[in-house]
Amino acid sequence: AQSVTQLGSHVSVSEGALVLLRCNYSSSVPPYLFWYVQYPNQGLQLLLKYTTGATLVKGINGFEAEFKKSETSFHLTKPSAHMSDAAEYFCAVSGGNAGGTSYGKLTFGQGTILTVHP
Amino acid sequence: KAGVTQTPRYLIKTRGQQVTLSCSPISGHRSVSWYQQTPGQGLQFLFEYFSETQRNKGNFPGRFSGRQFSNSRSEMNVSTLELGDSALYLCASSEVWLSREDTEAFFGQGTRLTVV
Repeated sequence: AQSVTQLGSHVSVSEGALVLLRCNYSSSVPPYLFWYVQYPNQGLQLLLKYTTGATLVKGINGFEAEFKKSETSFHLTKPSAHMSDAAEYFCAVSGGNAGGTSYGKLTFGQGTILTVHP
Repeated sequence: KAGVTQTPRYLIKTRGQQVTLSCSPISGHRSVSWYQQTPGQGLQFLFEYFSETQRNKGNFPGRFSGRQFSNSRSEMNVSTLELGDSALYLCASSEVWLSREDTEAFFGQGTRLTVV
């Protein structure tokens, strides 16, 4: 079974400040990990993903995340927040193509709403 | 390349009715998954189809069903609608569901269903 915990349902930062959104996961198989962003009344847009290889992953819009197996974490960071970053962010885990109950299934955290103040 | 297209974008139905939602995946994608998003329960997996076969299913009652056609387009149906079925329904497509490290799941904009 897989699960995701996002610490903090709301995070507020000032424009130009560091953004840190926390995600911890549990997985019985080697995980594929994702961060998605959702703007109001929109679908989900992939920011970045970890499947295998380098544990520091760079994504779009200046975001990056580090996979730490020992801490079962995949926190999302951005050095300098911009007003356009205000949205809801979701961390998700998948068993990849491990078969069976992994097919098509992303298990999402509850989401973190990011507010950016001028 | 066109993205994932979901129709309609908005829908209002009455309790007890049934509804059909449509999803056209990205050209060449054969895996289509469906999710329900509500404020209380968040994003929950409904089911996944690949080459017209359901390969995986989430914990939803039998009122929720789906199918996939030979062109990979998918529909989901909800019968005997309840107020609690009001949600944003999202569809995601992938080539062969994350078959390689460089594949990903692409989401549509969703269908907002309101049950009154």
